[in-house]
Amino acid sequence: QVQLVESGGGLVKPGGSLRLSCAASGFSFSDYYMSWIRQAPGKGLEWVSYISSSGGNTYYADSVKGRFTISRDNAKNSLNLQMNSLRAEDTAVYYCARVSQYWYFDLWGRGTPVTVSS
Amino acid sequence: AIQLTQSPSSLSTSVGDRVSITCQTSQGINRALAWYQQRPGKPPRLLISFASNLEGGVPSRFSGSGSGTDFTLTISSLQPEDFATYYCQQFNSYPYSFGQGTKLEIK
Repeated sequence: QVQLVESGGGLVKPGGSLRLSCAASGFSFSDYYMSWIRQAPGKGLEWVSYISSSGGNTYYADSVKGRFTISRDNAKNSLNLQMNSLRAEDTAVYYCARVSQYWYFDLWGRGTPVTVSS
Repeated sequence: AIQLTQSPSSLSTSVGDRVSITCQTSQGINRALAWYQQRPGKPPRLLISFASNLEGGVPSRFSGSGSGTDFTLTISSLQPEDFATYYCQQFNSYPYSFGQGTKLEIK
């Protein structure tokens, strides 16, 4: 079954860290760019980060640059997002998404919620 | 960065209605536009790519049109499962941004 399953979300204090993971199955993970996209409560979609199929190239939204790090393990079909120096405005559901060759998102996970609060 | 403006932001409508949602971009993007549907509590789902290409499994009551800076998503006859929020996304140039969303509500 073609799917993405996120994990690792939770409650963290401002300034804290969290590591999100996404397990991919049912497709050739190493052939695809992958991405994290987030959605704050009651808000729209915000792209967070991309990673190339090999992991050699990464891209970040200005809002998370220098604080978040995207990585992948193609041997384990997994995508990760290390989030440091978390702020209240990082509170959101974080989705893992597969990136088509044309840069739209053709497969989404169910999301994992992150709450940054003291 | 390219800005995307969807209108309306929300719409009260009824089962069986024909609905159109527009997405305007701040600069021309040819036909590099995707539409997504997000039902409450669910992740987004890709409906349409390249402005008018329906993804597999998407009902034919959905259609997309437009090019350049003006795009439209049309639902020909609303079904109960179509009450959701719809987002456009441009993939012409980095960063590949989203519109703010259009929420369809039951009248």
